Amino acid sequence: DIVLTQSPASLAVSLGQRATISCRASESVDSYGNSFMHWYQQKPGQPPKLLIYRASNLESGIPARFSGSGSRTDFTLTINPVEADDVATYYCQQSNEDPYTFGGGTKLEIK
Amino acid sequence: EIQLQQSGPELVKPGASVKVSCKASGYSFTDYNMYWVKQSHGKSLEWIGYIDPYNGGTSYNQKFKGKATLTVDKSSSTAFMHLNSLTSEDSAVYYCARGGNYRGLDYWGQGTTLTVSS
Repeated sequence: DIVLTQSPASLAVSLGQRATISCRASESVDSYGNSFMHWYQQKPGQPPKLLIYRASNLESGIPARFSGSGSRTDFTLTINPVEADDVATYYCQQSNEDPYTFGGGTKLEIK
Repeated sequence: EIQLQQSGPELVKPGASVKVSCKASGYSFTDYNMYWVKQSHGKSLEWIGYIDPYNGGTSYNQKFKGKATLTVDKSSSTAFMHLNSLTSEDSAVYYCARGGNYRGLDYWGQGTTLTVSS
């Protein structure tokens, strides 16, 4: 199975500043010219919400403050500027190979 | 509006089984795979497997083979997940989600809380 390691496990960022979350895969999640890495936001008591698909594509309705980058084994989710509503846990997920594993999550708080 | 409406919370005894439903609306049910995801309390997410509603084809995480069985009823646009031989380790929130490997999981059900306790 592909293991996804997210870092940091938690971070505190001031309002209006940049938050950067990393996701490292144990093997490449690239195929056919695509990076099959997706990012989700989950608030307490709610299901996850898709933010970014295939590494860098912004899901419809998601603010442009969210962006994704990376390829092969190293990926980044950036939130800039951070707003109060962004307090949540963020997960990466790969869909290049069964089983479609998730990262352990990164909890974002406001400093 | 696209919606995935899951069945309500379940409290079941160890050794029993349970069937969770996920009713889809607002899109063509057979055009997208339906995925199931487990989230134990305070933990991360685990991919259980998916089913192709068009032909009933399934793919399971090896960890959940023999534990979970995925089915669909096309006539009612509903997906089901049957969990058997339940133990306390199966206590979790279970989500259904629409999607595929190209677009990620773009719509999620609200989650079904399963508690296994005597």
